[in-house]
Amino acid sequence: DTGVSQDPRHKITKRGQNVTFRCDPISEHNRLYWYRQTLGQGPEFLTYFQNEAQLEKSRLLSDRFSAERPKGSFSTLEIQRTEQGDSAMYLCASSTVQANTEAFFGQGTRLTVV
Amino acid sequence: KQEVTQIPAALSVPEGENLVLNCSFTDSAIYNLQWFRQDPGKGLTSLLLIQSSQREQTSGRLNASLDKSSGRSTLYIAASQPGDSATYLCAVPPEGGTSYGKLTFGQGTILTVHP
Repeated sequence: DTGVSQDPRHKITKRGQNVTFRCDPISEHNRLYWYRQTLGQGPEFLTYFQNEAQLEKSRLLSDRFSAERPKGSFSTLEIQRTEQGDSAMYLCASSTVQANTEAFFGQGTRLTVV
Repeated sequence: KQEVTQIPAALSVPEGENLVLNCSFTDSAIYNLQWFRQDPGKGLTSLLLIQSSQREQTSGRLNASLDKSSGRSTLYIAASQPGDSATYLCAVPPEGGTSYGKLTFGQGTILTVHP
């Protein structure tokens, strides 16, 4: 148990629907990261927060994707008008701001768009 | 742009063998390198973090080495067991930055250890 919690673990949705995922980081970690992982590939960075500020977004994060971390604790990732290509594992990670510390990952949310 | 490559893509070995997984990266100006394990359908479990100033890091039957100048890291697993079967991923943070959790991953090595 890494301490990073993600909910739900699995989500099946119809194309065109909106979905929202939640991530609760390790409590003392002020950095939170979202990744996407498709089958047979390594995770790819999407975005990250330091406290409530979203500091960086990848080009992978299209305008249908939005992430928030309103109080600097948990974060949500919303995908609007889902497409089949959005089917993937969405992983959340957290870390401190200390130099050379590990990133700890959650168990992920598996999204299937049908 | 940092690129991370892992070789081999898949490996199948009998129980008890010692084995080596390879990771190479294009930009050698890294702060650290992290090895992860991923079981099917699960998240990532951190195995070892090697700082740029270190050459080796050990945890139990695992030993990871880092050679920044050649852009390579290896993960050595001693006396492999069926429970070691998983995908092993290496990852590095961006050079010159402080966002250590923003990692570039390799595609992973799928390890199968059969009894």
